[in-house]
Amino acid sequence: NAGVTQTPKFQVLKTGQSMTLQCAQDMNHNSMYWYRQDPGMGLRLIYYSASEGTTDKGEVPNGYNVSRLNKREFSLRLESAAPSQTSVYFCASTTMGDTQYFGPGTRLTVL
Amino acid sequence: QKEVEQDPGPLSVPEGAIVSLNCTYSNSAFQYFMWYRQYSRKGPELLMYTYSSGNKEDGRFTAQVDKSSKYISLFIRDSQPSDSATYLCAMTLGGYNKLIFGAGTRLAVHP
Repeated sequence: NAGVTQTPKFQVLKTGQSMTLQCAQDMNHNSMYWYRQDPGMGLRLIYYSASEGTTDKGEVPNGYNVSRLNKREFSLRLESAAPSQTSVYFCASTTMGDTQYFGPGTRLTVL
Repeated sequence: QKEVEQDPGPLSVPEGAIVSLNCTYSNSAFQYFMWYRQYSRKGPELLMYTYSSGNKEDGRFTAQVDKSSKYISLFIRDSQPSDSATYLCAMTLGGYNKLIFGAGTRLAVHP
């Protein structure tokens, strides 16, 4: 039982490049989330998927897209990376939207 | 004004001290309250989860919720160097509603 896994762990991009962050959970959770964490800002919700087949914007969705591929997997895509997207990205999952379990994070730097 | 306010610290205490961490919130409809612990370069992990006003104890940790004052606290007794981490409060309306996080308080317990 691996919980929530994220790939890659680290990534460096140049401005304008695109990439997809992958997240998978093996806990049979319905809901999945993408957050970014910046110093002094706490965790800010980018997008979430309450259940398979649905996605909704969070607090800071601009510049991102998501895909809920199936119940296990939820990916986050940056179409044209900007330095302002330099951050640590966390994926989380839950059964009922309250107690969330987090992955180890992806550290992204955009030059 | 943020929905959830949390002093970012840092807070530095000697080993064995009692630590008090606090958050205030503005939305009286919040029903579920959580404390997450995040070690450096790791994902947040759930530490305490409470639903109603009052105290909940788990080993050296006590979570306190005062809904009338819109104030939650986490107390750590006999603090240890291994407690050194960032502590994030979080709360939600429940169901499939989103978690709202505080900015996190960085705690350092020195021997």
